[in-house]
Amino acid sequence: AQSVTQLGSHVSVSEGALVLLRCNYSSSVPPYLFWYVQYPNQGLQLLLKYTTGATLVKGINGFEAEFKKSETSFHLTKPSAHMSDAAEYFCAVSRRNSGYSTLTFGKGTMLLVSP
Amino acid sequence: DSGVTQTPKHLITATGQRVTLRCSPRSGDLSVYWYQQSLDQGLQFLIQYYNGEERAKGNILERFSAQQFPDLHSELNLSSLELGDSALYFCASSVGVGPSTDTQYFGPGTRLTVL
Repeated sequence: AQSVTQLGSHVSVSEGALVLLRCNYSSSVPPYLFWYVQYPNQGLQLLLKYTTGATLVKGINGFEAEFKKSETSFHLTKPSAHMSDAAEYFCAVSRRNSGYSTLTFGKGTMLLVSP
Repeated sequence: DSGVTQTPKHLITATGQRVTLRCSPRSGDLSVYWYQQSLDQGLQFLIQYYNGEERAKGNILERFSAQQFPDLHSELNLSSLELGDSALYFCASSVGVGPSTDTQYFGPGTRLTVL
């Protein structure tokens, strides 16, 4: 069975600082990996995904994530935080070669950005 | 705006009652997914339909059922409601079922409160 662990339910950064949100997965076969963002009172929006190929994936709003098989990780980064980045971020996995695209989500990390 | 619509936005009901949540997928999307988001369980996959047929099942209770109609909209029926069913229910849609190419687009959610 797959599982996703997001370290830290809350992460606080100052505006302009580096954002690092951690995600580790547990799966016998490297899964497809996703990061979603949820703004207050809204649905989830896809930030980026890794399926195959280059392990550094660039997404929207200046975010990127790197798939590291040896560390079973898919951490999300952004060089410089903006106030508008304050939201909840979810890492998710989907089984590879299964014919299904159902997602297993982590518990989420709330990003707080202070001026 | 993801293009996925959900109605109603909010629903308040009493224990033991039955409710129906409705979802219209993005134009052209054949798959519909239902998720439940609660404080204690996080985001959990409930069920997926593809072109009218049940495709995958997650942690969906027997008191819950869903269907996808010929016009591709979907309904999630929740019966014999309990206090613990209070949650945000999200619908998502995608073009097909392949996890590598299919991005799931989420609706804004229906907030269910059971009193």
